[in-house]
This record gives sequence, C-alpha cells and structure tokens, in this order.
Amino acid sequence: AQSVSQHNHHVILSEAASLELGCNYSYGGTVNLFWYVQYPGQHLQLLLKYFSGDPLVKGIKGFEAEFIKSKFSFNLRKPSVQWSDTAEYFCAVRGTGGFKTIFGAGTRLFVKA
Amino acid sequence: GAGVSQSPSNKVTEKGKDVELRCDPISGHTALYWYRQSLGQGLEFLIYFQGNSAPDKSGLPSDRFSAERTGGSVSTLTIQRTQQEDSAVYLCASSYEPRDIQETQYFGPGTRLLVL
Repeated sequence: AQSVSQHNHHVILSEAASLELGCNYSYGGTVNLFWYVQYPGQHLQLLLKYFSGDPLVKGIKGFEAEFIKSKFSFNLRKPSVQWSDTAEYFCAVRGTGGFKTIFGAGTRLFVKA
Repeated sequence: GAGVSQSPSNKVTEKGKDVELRCDPISGHTALYWYRQSLGQGLEFLIYFQGNSAPDKSGLPSDRFSAERTGGSVSTLTIQRTQQEDSAVYLCASSYEPRDIQETQYFGPGTRLLVL
C-alpha cells in the first residue's frame, strides 16, 4: 500500500538547534517527493521538492532534504532553527507521471525563543 | 496575484444535513484537488480534476461525497447526510498542468467543517 510515515508528531527545539525530521515512504515505482509547511494561520505551502538529479535538494529558508532511494527516505534538515520555523511540516510522495499525492500525518515543530 | 480561495471558512451543521464547500482555484490552473485533513491525520486525497478529463474520484470515502467543477474553474464539494466523522478541514489545491515536471500545488485556506 502507498503510504508516508513521519516519525515524530511533535518536536520541540531551542533556537539555533539543528533539525532533522524523518520521512519514509512506501510506493511502487519512481517517485516525486515533497515537503510542505503550514505556518500558524497560513496556508499550506511548498517548502522543497525532489523530482530527479541531485538527491540533496535545497528549499526556502535554509531547509534541505536528502532523498535516499535505498532507504525510501526523504528527511528534512536545517542546521540552525529559528523561532519563525515554528510550524507543521508534511512530507508527501507522488508517483512520476501521476497526480495522486500521498501525505504523511505531519510533524508539529515548536521552536523556543 | 490572487491565490486559491475557499468558502465558507468555517461551517457548523447538524448531523444529517447536506453541505456545499466551494473552491476558486488560481486563474489559469488546469488541475484542482480536494483533500480532507482530520484531527491528527495527514491530508487525505479525495478527488482530482484536470481540464476537461473525467475526474478521478477514487479518494471519495462514500457515495455521500460528490464534487463538480464547472467551466474548468470553480469547484464545489458536496457532502450529503453529513455524519460526525465528516468533521475535518477540507482543503482545495490547484496547479498548472500536473504533467509538467515543475508542477506545484497551491493550497487554499481550507474550510473547517464541524458536524454536531
């Protein structure tokens, strides 16, 4: 079955701490991978995406994610978080050439100032 | 430019009533998606429209759910005989030509539905 698993439902960090949010997926065939973010009171928006090429992709606001095909993982990282990174983060997968996107349950990140 | 808009932003209804949720996609976007986000859950795909093609309804949870997209623009999601388990945030997203490798979905603010 197609699924996305996000390992942590809640993460609390202090400012300047490093961040890694885990994401594993189950999907037959080649995939496109996404991280979306929803800041408090705002719409869900794209943070970064992987389609092909370099498995290390960089997104907005200093975020990056690495696609490890052998591990079916697409973990999100940021070396030093800020209070403004407090948000809910969603990992998503879609088969190449398709449209149906499978989302994980989300990880709520709270950054203490 | 204007983003995806949804109305109403909040809807409270009684069990058994019908509700209609509206989505206005970004102008020119050919693809439109509906998702449902229940408390503590990820986004659950409901239905997808692309241009004039037949919609993919494979994610609709029951025959009480239906959706239309008129004129390739505005979409309405209808839930008949609402149940308490229908309570959720219903999100709409649009994109330009999903077959394009650069496709990105743009999300609306959602409609928060509460069925009493």
